[in-house]
Amino acid sequence: ELKVEQNPLFLSMQEGKNYTIYCNYSTTSDRLYWYRQDPGKSLESLFVLLSNGAVKQEGRLMASLDTKARLSTLHITAAVHDLSATYFCAVSYTGNQFYFGTGTSLTVIP
Amino acid sequence: GAVVSQHPSRVICKSGTSVKIECRSLDFQATTMFWYRQFPKQSLMLMATSNEGSKATYEQGVEKDKFLINHASLTLSTLTVTSAHPEDSSFYICSASIPGSGKYTFGSGTRLTVV
Repeated sequence: ELKVEQNPLFLSMQEGKNYTIYCNYSTTSDRLYWYRQDPGKSLESLFVLLSNGAVKQEGRLMASLDTKARLSTLHITAAVHDLSATYFCAVSYTGNQFYFGTGTSLTVIP
Repeated sequence: GAVVSQHPSRVICKSGTSVKIECRSLDFQATTMFWYRQFPKQSLMLMATSNEGSKATYEQGVEKDKFLINHASLTLSTLTVTSAHPEDSSFYICSASIPGSGKYTFGSGTRLTVV
């Protein structure tokens, strides 16, 4: 059974601080996705990581993938309030399907 | 960019009635669409995968007779919640793979409330 786990589940951080969200998955996959979800909204695609060692950055967010460790990280640099949302990783498996992580609810406080 | 239009965005129905949710790919052909359910403050759970012109593949524990999926064309997939009960109240989201990109696009979601 494929499991995709994130930690922490809840994260409260001060503006200007850095933090990392972790995504572990149980079965070999070479494609990992990060999404953002605002309350009551659907999903916004952030990153697609396609290979071991892949690193992508967009603004204050940077994602990386280690397929050997089955681990992806989403690093937040100098957090701002606008980053408050729930972040999900998702892993592709058996072709087109993919499965979502447990989600990390991020709150950035002044 | 590739867009999936989902509607209705919100629906309230009485127990025992059926509700249909539609997802349309607007500028691409979606041979495969996915249906997810999300309970408050929880992750998205894959319910089923629908392929155009064939029967949907349901995840374990999802009742296929209750959640009817039809993918009759390359641009439209529907999810019908039959004989809805309050425990079916949830946020339903569809998704489609964007051909040749390795990416997925998501509908805006449907908030279903069964009273």
